[in-house]
Amino acid sequence: DVKVTQSSRYLVKRTGEKVFLECVQDMDHENMFWYRQDPGLGLRLIYFSYDVKMKEKGDIPEGYSVSREKKERFSLILESASTNQTSMYLCAVTSGTSGRRDTQYFGPGTRLTVL
Amino acid sequence: GQSLEQPSEVTAVEGAIVQINCTYQTSGFYGLSWYQQHDGGAPTFLSYNALDGLEETGRFSSFLSRSDSYGYLLLQELQMKDSASYFCAALNTGGFKTIFGAGTRLFVKA
Repeated sequence: DVKVTQSSRYLVKRTGEKVFLECVQDMDHENMFWYRQDPGLGLRLIYFSYDVKMKEKGDIPEGYSVSREKKERFSLILESASTNQTSMYLCAVTSGTSGRRDTQYFGPGTRLTVL
Repeated sequence: GQSLEQPSEVTAVEGAIVQINCTYQTSGFYGLSWYQQHDGGAPTFLSYNALDGLEETGRFSSFLSRSDSYGYLLLQELQMKDSASYFCAALNTGGFKTIFGAGTRLFVKA
């Protein structure tokens, strides 16, 4: 099974701070995703990447940026954290092979609180 | 727009059968997945349907009807540990982007 790790389980930051969330996978999978999860809204896609240095906006990219310098690592950056970015952030990975893009492997999540 | 609709909550009794429905409206639909998430945990993959019909995996089955833009997850012989949130998710034809429903909270009572 794919193992996906995230840098922190819980994080507390202040408004205006720059925040880095990091995701690392231990398999050679091409596609990586960042979601945020809020009660009643399910998982919403922020950004995804299908290759090193490639990135695509998801449904709610405003206020976020990403970086993928190495295949195994995908970072989510909050340039200036705001209270409405308090949420659970989930990283996910899928294989690039056409037969297995259906299965997303999730990291444990980072619960971010912005004060 | 793209959206998936599923009930917010379902309650059932231990040992019973429960069906969680999902209707979708997406462009470039490729297939429908189901995920389970326990409180405090990450979503875990349960099943995937790319073709119409029923897919069975142990106590869980998933069904898809492309013509009706509809699918469901069927859980049999319910156990207390099945209490969790269940998400349907639509994969698009590009294969990169998945749209998730808001989730159905399943409560299993003794």
